Amino acid sequence: ELKVEQNPLFLSMQEGKNYTIYCNYSTTSDRLYWYRQDPGKSLESLFVLLSNGAVKQEGRLMASLDTKARLSTLHITAAVHDLSATYFCAVAPTFSGTYKYIFGTGTRLKVLA
Amino acid sequence: DTGVSQNPRHKITKRGQNVTFRCDPISEHNRLYWYRQTLGQGPEFLTYFQNEAQLEKSRLLSDRFSAERPKGSFSTLEIQRTEQGDSAMYLCASSSLASMNTEAFFGQGTRLTVV
Repeated sequence: ELKVEQNPLFLSMQEGKNYTIYCNYSTTSDRLYWYRQDPGKSLESLFVLLSNGAVKQEGRLMASLDTKARLSTLHITAAVHDLSATYFCAVAPTFSGTYKYIFGTGTRLKVLA
Repeated sequence: DTGVSQNPRHKITKRGQNVTFRCDPISEHNRLYWYRQTLGQGPEFLTYFQNEAQLEKSRLLSDRFSAERPKGSFSTLEIQRTEQGDSAMYLCASSSLASMNTEAFFGQGTRLTVV
């Protein structure tokens, strides 16, 4: 059974600091997704990582994928309060054309002013 | 086309009542997915359709749950005899079979509260 684990589960950090969220998954997959979710809202797509070594950056967030280690990271640079949210990684089965995502447990990020 | 649309956005119901949610996918998306997200957890896959055919159902989908996509366009998810444990956000997503498509797109969700 495919499992996806994130750590940390909770993260409280000061504005201006850097931090990394880790996403480990248990079986072969070459498609990894990062989402942001604000309280009571749906999922906002952040990054789609489709190959080993993929790195994508948007603003203060950078995501990478190592399929051999079955690990993805979401790095936060110089955090600001607006980044406070819950972040999920999700893995889809090695390509079958379906998006039956398996989501991680989520990392609840709180950026303190 | 403005994306995946879900209705209603919020639903409060008494335990034992039946509820039905609707999802309108992005036009021409062949595949439609339902997920459930309980408080503090990540979304969990429930079921998916390719056109009108329901191709897979999670064991999370008890006998009280039924999903349909009668004409391969919109889908409905019905919960019969609701229980307090059914309280959750129900998310719908859709995707295309086109090779350039690399992800499913989520709607805004329907938040169900069973009292």
